Amino acid sequence: EVQLLESGGGLVQPGGSLRLSCAASGFSFSSYAMGWVRQAPGKGLEWVSDISGRGETTHYADSVKGRFTISRDNSKNTLYLQMSSLRGDDTAVYNCARRPDSGWFPYDYWGQGTLVTVSS
Amino acid sequence: DIQMTQSPSTLSASIRDRVTITCRASQSISSWLAWYQQKPGQAPKLLIYKASSLQSGVPSRFSGSGSGTEFTLTITGLQPDDIATYYCHQYSGFSLTFGGGTRVEI
Repeated sequence: EVQLLESGGGLVQPGGSLRLSCAASGFSFSSYAMGWVRQAPGKGLEWVSDISGRGETTHYADSVKGRFTISRDNSKNTLYLQMSSLRGDDTAVYNCARRPDSGWFPYDYWGQGTLVTVSS
Repeated sequence: DIQMTQSPSTLSASIRDRVTITCRASQSISSWLAWYQQKPGQAPKLLIYKASSLQSGVPSRFSGSGSGTEFTLTITGLQPDDIATYYCHQYSGFSLTFGGGTRVEI
């Protein structure tokens, strides 16, 4: 069974940093690209970042470019999102999701998410 | 970035109704369009990919159509379990985007 379990969320002050993790199981982790998608309270879905199966290629939304860094450790089946210079509009539930790494595919499995609150 | 515009933002329907949601892309995305269903407190669930391909395990009352810039999601015979918010999602390039969502109510 495919499982994606996010952790690392919490309350952080503006300008602070936080690292999210996503533990994957039930599939061949390195065969899948992985991404982060966030959802502010009561709002829609916003794509944040994506990384290829081997971690060689990364992409970011303009809203987080230069502040967030996506990475993965295929030996630990874990995806990360290092967030810095956090702002109030980064407050959201952050979900990790997977998509097949060959060809063009959407995210097919998502985790339940971890809440990040940026507030003083 | 490619903008995705969904309509309507809220839809009120009755059980067994045929429901149609529209998604428009700001430029051509070929058929690289997916539809998701999200219920409160849950992660999004993939329904349709490549505009019209039904994801495994998804009921056949869900269908998708379109290409280029105009797409539709149709629910033929709305069921109580279909009450949710639906999002379109374009994955035609390296900058991914979602529509604003359509809330389906009874």
